[in-house]
Amino acid sequence: RKEVEQDPGPFNVPEGATVAFNCTYSNSASQSFFWYRQDCRKEPKLLMSVYSSGNEDGRFTAQLNRASQYISLLIRDSKLSDSATYLCVVNHSGTSYGKLTFGQGTILTVHP
Amino acid sequence: GAVVSQHPSRVICKSGTSVKIECRSLDFQATTMFWYRQFPKQSLMLMATSNEGSKATYEQGVEKDKFLINHASLTLSTLTVTSAHPEDSSFYICSAKREGDIQYFGAGTRLSVL
Repeated sequence: RKEVEQDPGPFNVPEGATVAFNCTYSNSASQSFFWYRQDCRKEPKLLMSVYSSGNEDGRFTAQLNRASQYISLLIRDSKLSDSATYLCVVNHSGTSYGKLTFGQGTILTVHP
Repeated sequence: GAVVSQHPSRVICKSGTSVKIECRSLDFQATTMFWYRQFPKQSLMLMATSNEGSKATYEQGVEKDKFLINHASLTLSTLTVTSAHPEDSSFYICSAKREGDIQYFGAGTRLSVL
């Protein structure tokens, strides 16, 4: 089983649509969780951290379910500029130096 | 603006040559930096953790003699791909932690070995 596993995608949605991505992680001792976005041939950029209580940043909502070891990202009112690969990222405990494990990414394409 | 600077952004070299990639933290000190590699249509894979003033920690399957890491100062880590071959062609990205567990990435180096 992969340490971090995401929806395979790709997702192809019209502008204005709501889209949700899911992610599961295998290490129950994981401590920190993030969503990054990566544009084609560019470096990953932090989209948002994910907290147990759930958090929202504008059109983006992230949720964490520790019991199910499940993370989600919801994008409302999709824009063309949201087209990118979305990476689920987990920091496993016991690594004080902050080793991150990346999911394989989910490709989102928003079309007019 | 950029938090982590990576140079060069693009390298094309002949097989057998060595290539050095620099990663700098801007306006903050990074005792730990990370080096990743990403092949087309795949996610980032951690190669090694670079520790200032000590030896790097390599992930399983990564040859330490081939991928030399030096972290001589609190703002600079370098990755040298020695005797590069076509199979080393990839996108190499560094990162550094600035606060908490959040990592900021350099813009990456696209290496093409002919």
